[in-house]
Order: sequence, then structure tokens, then C-alpha cells
Amino acid sequence: GNSVTQMEGPVTLSEEAFLTINCTYTATGYPSLFWYVQYPGEGLQLLLKATKADDKGSNKGFEATYRKETTSFHLEKGSVQVSDSAVYFCALSFSGNTGKLIFGQGTTLQVKP
Amino acid sequence: GAGVSQSPSNKVTEKGKDVELRCDPISGHTALYWYRQRLGQGLEFLIYFQGNSAPDKSGLPSDRFSAERTGESVSTLTIQRTQQEDSAVYLCASSLEWPGLALRSSYEQYFGPGTRLTVT
Repeated sequence: GNSVTQMEGPVTLSEEAFLTINCTYTATGYPSLFWYVQYPGEGLQLLLKATKADDKGSNKGFEATYRKETTSFHLEKGSVQVSDSAVYFCALSFSGNTGKLIFGQGTTLQVKP
Repeated sequence: GAGVSQSPSNKVTEKGKDVELRCDPISGHTALYWYRQRLGQGLEFLIYFQGNSAPDKSGLPSDRFSAERTGESVSTLTIQRTQQEDSAVYLCASSLEWPGLALRSSYEQYFGPGTRLTVT
């Protein structure tokens, strides 16, 4: 079946540290890939996406590259800030389907000043 | 403009009672999704509505769960005879019409704040 696996958290970093949150997927087709973020007390919101192999999604200093050969979509940021503290979810969906999202279990990031 | 709204924000109910959760999508969004997030787990898809098409109910965990949507407006998710394992945050999302096979594209799903359901 289709699934998404994220690295377990929580991840605790100091401000300005480099961030990587690993995400791998299993899919029977050719999915689109997403990172969603949930800030404390707020709803889930799209952070970035990529729809085909080698695409790089980017937003707010975060980047993720769609790697078909390794079935991965790792999230990276060069220098995290305290305001990046949140829960990050990797997800996939298929065009031609209903668009329903299949999520990983989420990774909590805490950035300390 | 207004985002997706959900009510109530919190609901505590006794085991065996029925509950009804409400979602107001963004105006003009024809696609509507319900997801469930149990503690420490990712979101699970429950059901999808698209205009007047038959809904995709493939994610509903049991026949105690049902959902309705009138046209392109409000949706209600009903859980009958609630059980403790139903305790979760129930999230609603809406998006523009799903483009289907014709386009390798995807419209962003906008999520509501969720309803936290606690079954005691």
C-alpha cells in the first residue's frame, strides 16, 4: 500500500543550526509530495510541495527535493529560528485520485534560543 | 478572506453517545475532506466530497461513522455510539476542484483548526 515514514522526534536544535527531517515514501504510482506544518495553536498549513521527480519545493527558507530513486523527500533548512518550532508532516497524494493526503506521523521540532 | 471553520472546537462526550461535528469550507471550494489525528499519530483520511459526485468513504473506520455535505457548503461528520478509541482531533480541509487525470497538478488543501473529541 501507499505510506509515508518520517524520522521520529522530537528534534531539538539551537537557533541557526542546520535542520534535516527525513521522509521516505512507499507508493504504487507516481505521487505528489508535500510538507505541511502545524505551529502551536494553529491549523495545519502547506509549507511546500513537489509534483515530479527532481522537483525542489521551497518556502520560508525550507527546501525539499523529490528523489524518485531513493523514494525520499527530506526537509532541510540551513539556519533555523525559534519561530520554526512546530510539528512537520510529510504527505503524498495522487493526481487522478481524489487528492486525499496520506500523512507521515509528524515530527516535532523545538528550536532553542 | 475567511478560512475553513469547524465547530465545536472541543467536545467531551460519554461513551455510547452520538456526536456531530461541523465544517464550513472556504467559499468556492468544491472539494472537502475529513481527516482524523489520534494522539502521537499522523492524520488519517476519512472521507472526501467533490461537488455532486458520490463521496469517497474509503477511510471511514466503521459504520458508526457517517458524513454528509449539502452541495458545496457545510459538512457534518457524525459518530454514533462513540467509543474511547474515537478520541482524536478531527480535521476538515477544503480545496478547489480536484483536477483529476487531465493535469499533473494538485490544489492546496486548506485545513480548519480541528475539533478535539474526547470520549470518556
